[in-house]
Amino acid sequence: DVKVTQSSRYLVKRTGEKVFLECVQDMDHENMFWYRQDPGLGLRLIYFSYDVKMKEKGDIPEGYSVSREKKERFSLILESASTNQTSMYLCASSSRTSGRAGYNEQFFGPGTRLTVL
Amino acid sequence: QKEVEQNSGPLSVPEGAIASLNCTYSDRGSQSFFWYRQYSGKSPELIMSIYSNGDKEDGRFTAQLNKASQYVSLLIRDSQPSDSATYLCAVKRTSAAGNKLTFGGGTRVLVKP
Repeated sequence: DVKVTQSSRYLVKRTGEKVFLECVQDMDHENMFWYRQDPGLGLRLIYFSYDVKMKEKGDIPEGYSVSREKKERFSLILESASTNQTSMYLCASSSRTSGRAGYNEQFFGPGTRLTVL
Repeated sequence: QKEVEQNSGPLSVPEGAIASLNCTYSDRGSQSFFWYRQYSGKSPELIMSIYSNGDKEDGRFTAQLNKASQYVSLLIRDSQPSDSATYLCAVKRTSAAGNKLTFGGGTRVLVKP
């Protein structure tokens, strides 16, 4: 089974702090994704990576950066946390090549609920 | 127009009945389609994938795809209270870099005993 883990389930930080969220997958997937999920706004893609050291902006990259130094690990960085970054953060991974019947499914980690005070 | 649209619900279904969820998408070049289930406070869990027109069944779940009409649906037969969750429709476009998915806003389903 695919396993995607995230460093923390709950995190409380103060405004202006630098925040690191880590994601690790154990299925040798090429693609990794960071989303945030807010009530009424659904899942929104922040950044994704399709290879080591490669990154692409998603729909809402402002205020975030990412790092992918190893294939299995994808980090999301909030350079200076703000209260509007309070959210559920979800990491996902998928294989570049076709998975079951060519679907390229994404598998999600358990999520990190971040509160910025 | 949103790229992937779902009725937000809630869809209230008696226990044992069929729950029918719909999803429409705007990009005719979309290639793969997914249904995720998300319990409150938890992360999305993949329950169905479909690629070709027609029906695909997996246990009590059936996904239906109609590319000409640009919709995909999910049927949940013999609905159970444990099926109460939000169901997310996701679509992969042919040209999507890194296999990006576009998600709908989700349909909340309530199964009443």
